[in-house]
Amino acid sequence: AQSVTQLGSHVSVSEGALVLLRCNYSSSVPPYLFWYVQYPNQGLQLLLKYTSAATLVKGINGFEAEFKKSETSFHLTKPSAHMSDAAEYFCAVNTGFQKLVFGTGTRLLVSP
Amino acid sequence: EPEVTQTPSHQVTQMGQEVILRCVPISNHLYFYWYRQILGQKVEFLVSFYNNEISEKSEIFDDQFSVERPDGSNFTLKIRSTKLEDSAMYFCASSEEGSNGNTIYFGEGSWLTVV
Repeated sequence: AQSVTQLGSHVSVSEGALVLLRCNYSSSVPPYLFWYVQYPNQGLQLLLKYTSAATLVKGINGFEAEFKKSETSFHLTKPSAHMSDAAEYFCAVNTGFQKLVFGTGTRLLVSP
Repeated sequence: EPEVTQTPSHQVTQMGQEVILRCVPISNHLYFYWYRQILGQKVEFLVSFYNNEISEKSEIFDDQFSVERPDGSNFTLKIRSTKLEDSAMYFCASSEEGSNGNTIYFGEGSWLTVV
């Protein structure tokens, strides 16, 4: 069964520092992978997705993620954190029939 | 930008009562979904719906749950007899197509509290 694992339920960074949120996937077939963000009291918003085109995927708000098959990873990065990036981030894999399986989420905390 | 809208944003209900959560998917989308997130847990798939019928459902989606598209714009989730463990954030979502790489757009959620 396809699944994703997010390492670290909380990640704290200083404003301006690199953001790295980890996601590893398990899949027997080429996966379709997604990162969603949930700001406080809001719904899930798509940041970016991997659909087997380019391995480096650029998303909104300066985020990007690199698909690494050899490491079964799809880590999310941003060179310089802003206070407005504080949110919960979810990695997800599409297991077929448009059914997304989500990770447990990582809460990003940004300090001034 | 088009968005999925959900009502109510928050509902408190007594155990055993019926609840209907409403959603208006993005207008040109053909696939509709419900997911839920119990406080502190993962977002979980409940059901997908296409062409006026359920295309996939999870083991969570038992006989207490039903979905309906009563008209051309609304998509509803009904819980017949709510239990305490049904307390969760329920997300409606929609997508234009059914391919695995297609983006699924989520609403802001309906927070259901069963007391």
